[in-house]
Amino acid sequence: GNSVTQMEGPVTLSEEAFLTINCTYTATGYPSLFWYVQYPGEGLQLLLKATKADDKGSNKGFEATYRKETTSFHLEKGSVQVSDSAVYFCALSGGYNKLIFGAGTRLAVHP
Amino acid sequence: EAGVVQSPRYKIIEKKQPVAFWCNPISGHNTLYWYLQNLGQGPELLIRYENEEAVDDSQLPKDRFSAERLKGVDSTLKIQPAELGDSAVYLCASSLNLGAGTGELFFGEGSRLTVL
Repeated sequence: GNSVTQMEGPVTLSEEAFLTINCTYTATGYPSLFWYVQYPGEGLQLLLKATKADDKGSNKGFEATYRKETTSFHLEKGSVQVSDSAVYFCALSGGYNKLIFGAGTRLAVHP
Repeated sequence: EAGVVQSPRYKIIEKKQPVAFWCNPISGHNTLYWYLQNLGQGPELLIRYENEEAVDDSQLPKDRFSAERLKGVDSTLKIQPAELGDSAVYLCASSLNLGAGTGELFFGEGSRLTVL
């Protein structure tokens, strides 16, 4: 069945450091891939998405590229800020908006 | 525009008691989802509605869980009786129905249940 595996947290970084959160997936067919973010005290919200191989999703300085050959969708940001502290979830959709989420990775950014 | 509204935000009950959670989706969103999020885990789908019809409830434990969306707008998720293992966050989300989908679900803040 479809599944998502992402790196365990917490990830602790200093402000302006480079961020990578790894995500790999197992799926039949050609799923769409997503990163959702949950800021403290808020609901999950879509951060970025990619719907086909080699697509790059980007938003708020974050990027992720859909790599079919390595079944990966790693999240990156060149310079993190304290306000990026949150839990990040990788997810895939096999259709009809049925999302399958990874376990989440907590990011803590310190000044 | 109001987002997805859930209530209550927090609920503490004793085991074997009933509990209900309410969700009001974004206006115009005909697809509504209930997800379960255990501590340290990602959300897992319990049930999905298209308008008032439950089109995917395969992960809903039907012996103790029930859900309804009578008029195709707001929805209620009930647990009766609650067990210790039901302690979790119950998330509601909504989206437009776009067939294969864009994956953009809008989530509420969740209802955190603690069963003692």
